[in-house]
Amino acid sequence: QQPVQSPQAVILREGEDAVINCSSSKALYSVHWYRQKHGEAPVFLMILLKGGEQKGHDKISASFNEKKQQSSLYLTASQLSYSGTYFCGTEHRAFCAGNNRKLIWGLGTSLAVNP
Amino acid sequence: KAGVTQTPRYLIKTRGQQVTLSCSPISGHRSVSWYQQTPGQGLQFLFEYFSETQRNKGNFPGRFSGRQFSNSRSEMNVSTLELGDSALYLCASSLVGNYGYTFGSGTRLTVV
Repeated sequence: QQPVQSPQAVILREGEDAVINCSSSKALYSVHWYRQKHGEAPVFLMILLKGGEQKGHDKISASFNEKKQQSSLYLTASQLSYSGTYFCGTEHRAFCAGNNRKLIWGLGTSLAVNP
Repeated sequence: KAGVTQTPRYLIKTRGQQVTLSCSPISGHRSVSWYQQTPGQGLQFLFEYFSETQRNKGNFPGRFSGRQFSNSRSEMNVSTLELGDSALYLCASSLVGNYGYTFGSGTRLTVV
């Protein structure tokens, strides 16, 4: 039930692009993306909803493929500040009735951006 | 505006003891969730509270419990601590609906 993230780790040079994938074996209602730096709390990046549009801000964007039950996070022209561990969290239909919320998390993708 | 506040930041407890962790959500956020984070298991959902009611619970033993107060502040309690309970415990709050979560800095619990 836990979504699978790939790759597990990425090393980039500043200015390079990266794609992180999050795949689920169950139908998805929404996908959250967060970034966590070492010793800090996860920080919300964006949420994608079933039937919604691709989202993005600055040079970070994401897509949601309902048929493939997959979301991808795109990091364009990476900056040093992008370094950290990226987590996807998935919500499935069964848990979205009313206000019920339960995020199931992938194990994370470690991203290192070097000068 | 103030973020999610978790106290204490660090705790060292002995096996068999119990512990209470506190979380104050962002003002206006009525949904509060708790997660356990460990290097091997990643982020594991503990429970979610809304309007003082537990709406969802993860696959943790009954030693893990929580509650939410009328001001949305939440506490979680772990009784009869085991070595495997050592982890970072994160609290997250959100608005009602399809919004992202704001996490607190967490409580680092070490059981010796």
